[in-house]
Amino acid sequence: GDSVTQMEGPVTLSEEAFLTINCTYTATGYPSLFWYVQYPGEGLQLLLKATKADDKGSNKGFEATYRKETTSFHLEKGSVQVSDSAVYFCALTRSNDYKLSFGAGTTVTVRA
Amino acid sequence: GAGVSQSPSNKVTEKGKDVELRCDPISGHTALYWYRQRLGQGLEFLIYFQGNSAPDKSGLPSDRFSAERTGESVSTLTIQRTQQEDSAVYLCASSREVEVQETQYFGPGTRLLVL
Repeated sequence: GDSVTQMEGPVTLSEEAFLTINCTYTATGYPSLFWYVQYPGEGLQLLLKATKADDKGSNKGFEATYRKETTSFHLEKGSVQVSDSAVYFCALTRSNDYKLSFGAGTTVTVRA
Repeated sequence: GAGVSQSPSNKVTEKGKDVELRCDPISGHTALYWYRQRLGQGLEFLIYFQGNSAPDKSGLPSDRFSAERTGESVSTLTIQRTQQEDSAVYLCASSREVEVQETQYFGPGTRLLVL
């Protein structure tokens, strides 16, 4: 079945550090890939998405590129802020489906 | 406009009791989804609604779980004879349509603890 594996946390960084959260997937066909973020006390929000190979999703300084050859969708941000502290979830939907399959989540804490 | 809301935000119950969890989707969203997140794990899909019809119930973990939806509005997830393994955060999401490209908007979740 479909599955998403993402880097285990927690991850603790200083402000202005570079952040990478690895995500790899297993799926048949051509899935759509997503990063969701959950800030403390809030619901899950879509951060970015990519729907086909080599697409790059970007939002709020975060980027992720859909790499079919490595079945990966790693999340990156060049300079994190305290406000980026959150739990980040990698997810996918199959090309003919609507159900999101999620990774376990990675907790990121950014210190001032 | 208002986002997806869920109630209660927290629920503590005793093993064997029934619980009802409520979801109010974004107005006008025809699709509604229920997910479950157990501690340390990713979200598991439970069920979705297109209008008030539930074409896919494959994610419901047992026959103790059921859900219904009134038109394109409120949905209720019911767990009968709760067990400790039902303890989790139950998340509801809605989208304009049931399409892969449609963004699913999530509520804050209901944290259920079964003692």
